Order: sequence, then C-alpha cells, then structure tokens
Amino acid sequence: GNSVTQMEGPVTLSEEAFLTINCTYTATGYPSLFWYVQYPGEGLQLLLKATKADDKGSNKGFEATYRKETTSFHLEKGSVQVSDSAVYFCALSDRAAGNKLTFGGGTRVLVKP
Amino acid sequence: SQTIHQWPATLVQPVGSPLSLECTVEGTSNPNLYWYRQAAGRGLQLLFYSVGIGQISSEVPQNLSASRPQDRQFILSSKKLLLSDSGFYLCAWSRPGLTNQPQHFGDGTRLSIL
Repeated sequence: GNSVTQMEGPVTLSEEAFLTINCTYTATGYPSLFWYVQYPGEGLQLLLKATKADDKGSNKGFEATYRKETTSFHLEKGSVQVSDSAVYFCALSDRAAGNKLTFGGGTRVLVKP
Repeated sequence: SQTIHQWPATLVQPVGSPLSLECTVEGTSNPNLYWYRQAAGRGLQLLFYSVGIGQISSEVPQNLSASRPQDRQFILSSKKLLLSDSGFYLCAWSRPGLTNQPQHFGDGTRLSIL
C-alpha cells in the first residue's frame, strides 16, 4: 500500500533560518505529491503540489521537488518567519488507490523571533 | 470560486449523546467529499469518502456514519458518542473525475466528549 513518512517534530528555528522538512513516500502507481499547512486551530491549506517527476512546486517562498529516484518531496524555505509556525503535512494522491490522499504524520514547526 | 463550510466550529458533548456535523460545498458540482479525523498531535485519518449522492465508502470501522443527502452536503453522525470520538474533524472536497487532484479542506470542528 501507499505510505508517506515525514520527519518528526517539533522543529524549532529562529527567524530567517533555513527550513527543510524531509518527506519520502512509497506508492504503487504514479502519484501526485502535495504539501499542506495547518495553522493553529484551523483546517489544512494546500501549500504546493507536483504532479510528475522533476516537477517543482512553489508557493509563499516554499519549494519542493518531486524526486522519483529517491522517492522524496522535501519541503524547503530559505528564510522563515514567525508566521510560518504551523504543522506541515506531506501527502500523495495515487490513481491506483482511487485518488484518495495518503498523509504523513505531520511536522510541527515553531519559528522564534 | 469554490468554498467549503463546516459547522459547528467547536462542540462539547456528553458521552452517549448523538452527533451531527455538517459540511457544504459551494461553487462546484458533484464534488468528491471526505471526512477526516485528527486526534490531538496526530496525523489525519480518512473516515469516509463519497463520489456522489447516497454513495458512501467507509475507511475504518467505527462508531460514526456519514450521509450525503444532497450533491454538495456531507454529514457526519453518531447515535451514541464515545470518549474516543474526541478530536478535530475535517471535511474536504476535490474535483470529480480527474486523477490526482488536491483536496480542499474546511476549517474543521473541534469535538470534545465529556
């Protein structure tokens, strides 16, 4: 079956630091990959996506590249802000699994001023 | 543009009481609809999904049920709540008929069982 593994948090950073959240996946088909962000007390928001190998998704200064050879989709941001404090979820959607999303466990990020 | 609404935002219920959480989507037709539960500090667990009116698939055996009485309405219910039903419930939708589409989430309902 499909699975998504993300690094466990919490990840604590200072403002303007570089952020990386690792995500690896296993899938039976050719998945699309997503990063979602959940701010405190809110639902999930789609942050970025990539639908095929070597695609780079980007939004709000965040980037992630679909690496089929390493089955990874690591999230990066060059300079974080306090407002980036949230829980980040990596997810995949696989047509072979009926287009349902498979989520990682989430990584909590705390950015301190 | 499409929007998704969930209510209530917060709910406190006693053990053994019934439950009804509602989710509606606007601005699209025949969406795929989903209910998730997020336990405190945990990831998301898919509970139910629906590809059309009256079509409900259950992902895990549990104390909850779902119904889709109208195209853009998705309801999560229980006849008798358990303590273990506490959590953050999220409704989501995605475009029908297309592969590998993102899901779009509502703001969630925080359910506390006393």
